[in-house]
Amino acid sequence: GQNIDQPTEMTATEGAIVQINCTYQTSGFNGLFWYQQHAGEAPTFLSYNVLDGLEEKGRFSSFLSRSKGYSYLLLKELQMKDSASYLCAVRDTGTASKLTFGTGTRLQVTL
Amino acid sequence: ETGVTQTPRHLVMGMTNKKSLKCEQHLGHNAMYWYKQSAKKPLELMFVYNFKEQTENNSVPSRFSPECPNSSHLFLHLHTLQPEDSALYLCASSQTSGGANEQFFGPGTRLTVL
Repeated sequence: GQNIDQPTEMTATEGAIVQINCTYQTSGFNGLFWYQQHAGEAPTFLSYNVLDGLEEKGRFSSFLSRSKGYSYLLLKELQMKDSASYLCAVRDTGTASKLTFGTGTRLQVTL
Repeated sequence: ETGVTQTPRHLVMGMTNKKSLKCEQHLGHNAMYWYKQSAKKPLELMFVYNFKEQTENNSVPSRFSPECPNSSHLFLHLHTLQPEDSALYLCASSQTSGGANEQFFGPGTRLTVL
């Protein structure tokens, strides 16, 4: 099975940098995903890591260490619209793309 | 229409009713998924279909009955539900051919069981 932990809530200031951590314990691993979910809306894909290291995509970056079972999502130059929940999900090995999600981190960006 | 669509967006039903949720994807994906999202709980995978065949049933009670007539359409038939089944039901689709194969989610159906 999979166990995924991430902080429940975080607050940061507009223009700042915030790092959202995710740790996981898994029986199988075939990639880690980050999704953004605004209140009342569908989750949208942000990033994917399957090898160790940093993946950068504009203001968002994601890091993975498979040996430590650890990932983080880094958001730079925060904007008010970044206020949302950020979901960490691990994909199991196997034929289907089975994801196990953490409970999500609700980020509040303030002025 | 593009992406993943779901109908209805909101549904209120009694415990003795029978209703169905519909999902359609216009992305050419081969896999489709049903998830349940309850307050303060992680997204819970319910069912996975790959090329119309069910490949995952995550110990879901039989009062939830999925149907996948083709790779573009997915239904969730509901009957004799309980109040604790009230939640947001999300449909998603993806490829499964290798690489990221990220899942694309529909807007969800907000279900309330009275």
